Order: sequence, then structure tokens, then C-alpha cells
Amino acid sequence: AQSVSQHNHHVILSEAASLELGCNYSYGGTVNLFWYVQYPGQHLQLLLKYFSGDPLVKGIKGFEAEFIKSKFSFNLRKPSVQWSDTAEYFCAVTPMNSGYSTLTFGKGTMLLVSP
Amino acid sequence: GAGVSQSPSNKVTEKGKDVELRCDPISGHTALYWYRQRLGQGLEFLIYFQGNSAPDKSGLPSDRFSAERTGESVSTLTIQRTQQEDSAVYLCASSQTSGVVETQYFGPGTRLLVL
Repeated sequence: AQSVSQHNHHVILSEAASLELGCNYSYGGTVNLFWYVQYPGQHLQLLLKYFSGDPLVKGIKGFEAEFIKSKFSFNLRKPSVQWSDTAEYFCAVTPMNSGYSTLTFGKGTMLLVSP
Repeated sequence: GAGVSQSPSNKVTEKGKDVELRCDPISGHTALYWYRQRLGQGLEFLIYFQGNSAPDKSGLPSDRFSAERTGESVSTLTIQRTQQEDSAVYLCASSQTSGVVETQYFGPGTRLLVL
């Protein structure tokens, strides 16, 4: 079975700082990768996803993530965070040939951006 | 509707009582998923429905948990004889199809507290 590890449970940054949230997965085959975000009081939303092709994926709100197959990683980055980026971020994976796309999630990283 | 809806938003119940949670998927979405998020944990898969096929119940934690879905419409998750460890946010997601990986769209969740 696959698993997902997110390195940081809490991250605190000042506005304009750069962000990198780590995500590593364990699975022997080909995977599809996702980052979801949950803003305070809102439901889970898709931030970006990787299915195939260019391993550098750009998502909404200036976020990007890079799939590094050799490292089993899919780290999330943003060059300059804003106060409105305060949220909980979840990395998720599903095997490409699972037949359906049940997601396995990491435990989440809570990002707090101070103004 | 425009998105996945769930009801109730919050539910407080006493240990030993039964609860029923409801999910309305996005219209036209054939796949429906239930997940559970306990405090400080990532999302755990519970059950998956795809059209009229037999559901995948492999994530249900015990026989106290059951779910139904009629066709491609509303789903209900039932927890019988609730226990304190059932306290969690129960999330529903839907996607357009299955067989290939599709983005899942999440509802706002039902926050269940078992006293």
C-alpha cells in the first residue's frame, strides 16, 4: 500500500518569505500526485496535480510543485507567500493504474503567514 | 448543484447512538468517496461508489460503519453505536468518472463529536 509523508506539521512564515513544503511518498509503481489546500472555514480544494509530462507543475495562486521520481518527492513551493496563504496543505497520491482514484493523504502541514 | 454538499455541518451525539451523514455529489459525477479526518491526522479513505457497481468498502474501520448510494445521487454514511473514537470530520468527494484518475471535489464535511 502507498503512504505519504509530510515533513512539517506546522510552518510559520512572514509575508514575502519563500515557501517549500516537503512531501514524500512510498509506492513501487507509477503514481499521480496532488496538493490540496484547506483555508480556514472552507472545504478542501485542489491546488495542483501531476499526472504525467513536465514534472514541474504550476497551480493556482502562484503555487508550483516539482515531481522528482528518484526521490519519491513532490514538494510544494511558492516564491513569496501572502497572509491569505494561511491554510492547511495536504499532499496526496494515487497509483496510476489503481482502476479508480482513491487518494492516500499525508497528515497535512499547517501554514501560518504573519503579516 | 455547484459543488458537493454535506449535511449536517456539525453533529454532536452521545456514545452508543446511531448517526446518519448525508452527501450530495456534483451533478453528473459518477464516482463518490467518503473519507474521515481525525484530529491531527490526514484523510483516511472509507468507502467508494462508482455508478451501480458494488462499492469498495475496504476502508470502513468496523462493521458499525455502512454507506449507501442510490444510482449516481445522494449517499448516506451511517455509524451505529457511536464511540468516542468516531469523533472526526467526515468528508465526501465526487469525481466525474473512474477507471482513469479524475480530480476529486470535496464537500465541506460533517464534524462529528461523540460525547
